[in-house]
Amino acid sequence: EPEVTQTPSHQVTQMGQEVILRCVPISNHLYFYWYRQILGQKVEFLVSFYNNEISEKSEIFDDQFSVERPDGSNFTLKIRSTKLEDSAMYFCASTEGGQPQHFGDGTRLSIL
Amino acid sequence: GEDVEQSLFLSVREGDSSVINCTYTDSSSTYLYWYKQEPGAGLQLLTYIFSNMDMKQDQRLTVLLNKKDKHLSLRIADTQTGDSAIYFCAESIRDNTDKLIFGTGTRLQVFP
Repeated sequence: EPEVTQTPSHQVTQMGQEVILRCVPISNHLYFYWYRQILGQKVEFLVSFYNNEISEKSEIFDDQFSVERPDGSNFTLKIRSTKLEDSAMYFCASTEGGQPQHFGDGTRLSIL
Repeated sequence: GEDVEQSLFLSVREGDSSVINCTYTDSSSTYLYWYKQEPGAGLQLLTYIFSNMDMKQDQRLTVLLNKKDKHLSLRIADTQTGDSAIYFCAESIRDNTDKLIFGTGTRLQVFP
């Protein structure tokens, strides 16, 4: 069964550094999402992306965050200048639209 | 506003049934979902129900939806130790993005 893949599985970065989290959604899916889960807390919506543009973003998704679909397969989340509070599990999800979202296994981001 | 609530813990004996409950506030939900998360792992889609349905059964899983009370439940029959995990309910919001709003998660502990 096709699946969403995320890399790396764990990223350790110094505070203030830029980080890029990568996702390969399921190939025929059109809608892409990033979610965040701080340790021990609920999963929170960050941003949705469709037709090569952001369709919605949450209050968490400030100017330090950006998303990109640089080619036909990858979907990336960039954090420009990381803060300690960005430490979390980041999940990518995709759907063909009107169907359940399929999630990747997540990237654990640790900011030192 | 959009809010999804769950009880935090549930402990059951192996072989018994488990019932995990969820309440939500947004009446414009399209789908309601149950995801399973094992320690350190990603979000596994267990089952989902369309908002105009009352019940859905899938092997050991039964989902009940009371739209009037905005209440969703997941029943796991013959609960096994491998079912121990955190269970998240989530609703997809009927807007142009179908973003998911997650509950706080219920930690299910199955003991022999």
